[in-house]
Amino acid sequence: QKEVEQDPGPLSVPEGAIVSLNCTYSNSAFQYFMWYRQYSRKGPELLMYTYSSGNKEDGRFTAQVDKSSKYISLFIRDSQPSDSATYLCALNTGGFKTIFGAGTRLFVKA
Amino acid sequence: EAQVTQNPRYLITVTGKKLTVTCSQNMNHEYMSWYRQDPGLGLRQIYYSMNVEVTDKGDVPEGYKVSRKEKRNFPLILESPSPNQTSLYFCASRPVSNYGYTFGSGTRLTVV
Repeated sequence: QKEVEQDPGPLSVPEGAIVSLNCTYSNSAFQYFMWYRQYSRKGPELLMYTYSSGNKEDGRFTAQVDKSSKYISLFIRDSQPSDSATYLCALNTGGFKTIFGAGTRLFVKA
Repeated sequence: EAQVTQNPRYLITVTGKKLTVTCSQNMNHEYMSWYRQDPGLGLRQIYYSMNVEVTDKGDVPEGYKVSRKEKRNFPLILESPSPNQTSLYFCASRPVSNYGYTFGSGTRLTVV
């Protein structure tokens, strides 16, 4: 079993839709949870950073962590064509190693 | 501008010809890492460094070497590249106090 599972998509939505991206994980020791956005031919860019359980909001983006279910989510409200990218979840136990999901490709159609 | 700079962006080489991919960061970060990204496999860590002269293997270190002689630089060395090292490589750095990495723009390596 992989440490982190992420549906590769692609996920295609119309402009203005609410997007839900998810990852599940198996190691209950993970405490730090991140979401990265990666545009084509670019490096990943840190989007959201959360510690432990709960929600964190930043503009149109909300990150949610449910440690009891080992499930993390990223919600994008009022999605825009410029949100079209690959989104990667990333997890860390508090040590040296960060584990990345394989990424979900998102297309937002104008 | 705070950034991680990798060079070159694109590289085509032949099997067995030693190469070095450079990485430099201007944020005074302690931690630096090299990742490779392959379709369906995501980002896999090759090597990481906690500080100057302190490095350790990640998940896929075979065929790679690194060094950290200065805090800002973390070059990746392929002493005898093989076709299975054809991939997209990213250097990344972060401070001790924050687990979010800043990534470089990537190096697309093709070994023929």
